[in-house]
Amino acid sequence: AQSVTQLDSQVPVFEEAPVELRCNYSSSVSVYLFWYVQYPNQGLQLLLKYLSGSTLVKGINGFEAEFNKSQTSFHLRKPSVHISDTAEYFCAVSSNNAGNMLTFGGGTRLMVKP
Amino acid sequence: ETGVTQSPTHLIKTRGQQVTLRCSSQSGHNTVSWYQQALGQGPQFIFQYYREEENGRGNFPPRFSGLQFPNYSSELNVNALELDDSALYLCASSVGANYGYTFGSGTRLTVV
Repeated sequence: AQSVTQLDSQVPVFEEAPVELRCNYSSSVSVYLFWYVQYPNQGLQLLLKYLSGSTLVKGINGFEAEFNKSQTSFHLRKPSVHISDTAEYFCAVSSNNAGNMLTFGGGTRLMVKP
Repeated sequence: ETGVTQSPTHLIKTRGQQVTLRCSSQSGHNTVSWYQQALGQGPQFIFQYYREEENGRGNFPPRFSGLQFPNYSSELNVNALELDDSALYLCASSVGANYGYTFGSGTRLTVV
């Protein structure tokens, strides 16, 4: 079975400060990893994904994430956040063995303050 | 790309009733999945269809059922609605799971 833990339910940060949203996963097989963002009353938008290759993945809106297999982590980072980044962020894992279904973490609410 | 479209956007039903939610996937997306997102939680996988056949199911009872049609549209049916079925239901489609899924904006179902 696969699972995802997002260690912080809320992350407050001031505008233009850097941010890291933490994600750890558990799986006995090779995985694919994703970060999605959800704005209020909307669906999920894909920020970035790791399928294979380089462990540093760059996504949209200036976000990036690093896959660390030994620590089973896939933390999301942005060097300078904007007010518009305020949203809910979800880390998700899938694998061929699990039928490629996405297993999501509980989410991290990023609150950017002026 | 036309994206993933879900209808209706909001719905209120009474406990015990049945509901059908609809999703129109992007052209060429042969895989569609449905997720339930309760308030304040991450989405939970309900089931997945590939080329009109169910090929994966999460921990949901049989009263949750679905269909996928040749025109890339799909349905989620829920019978005998319970209060705990109140949630945002998300449809997601893909050309193949490894490419990531495109999500719709969801249907907010409220059971009273």
